[in-house]
Amino acid sequence: QALLQESGPGLVKPSQTLNLVCTVSGGSISRGGYYWGWIRQRPGKGLEWIGYRYYNGETFYNPSLKSRITILADTSKNQFSLKLTSVTAADTAFYFCARTVTGGASPIDSWGPGTLVTVSS
Amino acid sequence: IQLTQSPSSLAASVRDRVTITCRASQDISTYLNWYQQQPGQAPKLLIYDASRLQSGVPSRFSGSRSGTDFTLTISNLQPEDFATYYCQQTYISPPSFGQGTKLEI
Repeated sequence: QALLQESGPGLVKPSQTLNLVCTVSGGSISRGGYYWGWIRQRPGKGLEWIGYRYYNGETFYNPSLKSRITILADTSKNQFSLKLTSVTAADTAFYFCARTVTGGASPIDSWGPGTLVTVSS
Repeated sequence: IQLTQSPSSLAASVRDRVTITCRASQDISTYLNWYQQQPGQAPKLLIYDASRLQSGVPSRFSGSRSGTDFTLTISNLQPEDFATYYCQQTYISPPSFGQGTKLEI
């Protein structure tokens, strides 16, 4: 399994843009076989799939967030990122980066530890 | 697709056998995964494709399917099994999760 680690600011002001980076080790985001993406969990709540990216640049986003999300990759650093624009308090959550297996039921087999992002002025 | 887990919470004892159910609102074939989440940690994959055990997961965990009903069974509960469990469907995008089942001592 790959090791993933999220990084980024823990506090973002309302209406601003949330930017998180996931650094991957033990697996290349430039090869096929996996999607690389993000899941979030509001404190005390359930899991919400945000989206993921394939090595060829193809992206898949949750329609509920699609207009505000961009997932990019920096293959030279083996990193991928999440940009979420126009944040509100409802975007306060733990954000997990994750690796999803392609094929079958596409399970998420590797997760970062998660990072809490609070949206507040 | 709606996934409804039952029960929402469950109290059990070490060495018990417990069953958690996840009901899909429509046919999702075997596109169903199960995760375990300990407090303050990321979820961990237990079962994929409804019944396949993830590598490294103890064999006391098992999954099954009957139509649109999916079951996670934990036999011989161990102290480290007390956690929250989520099912996830990937049949129709976006992938979605059940609301979770908290397994307590």
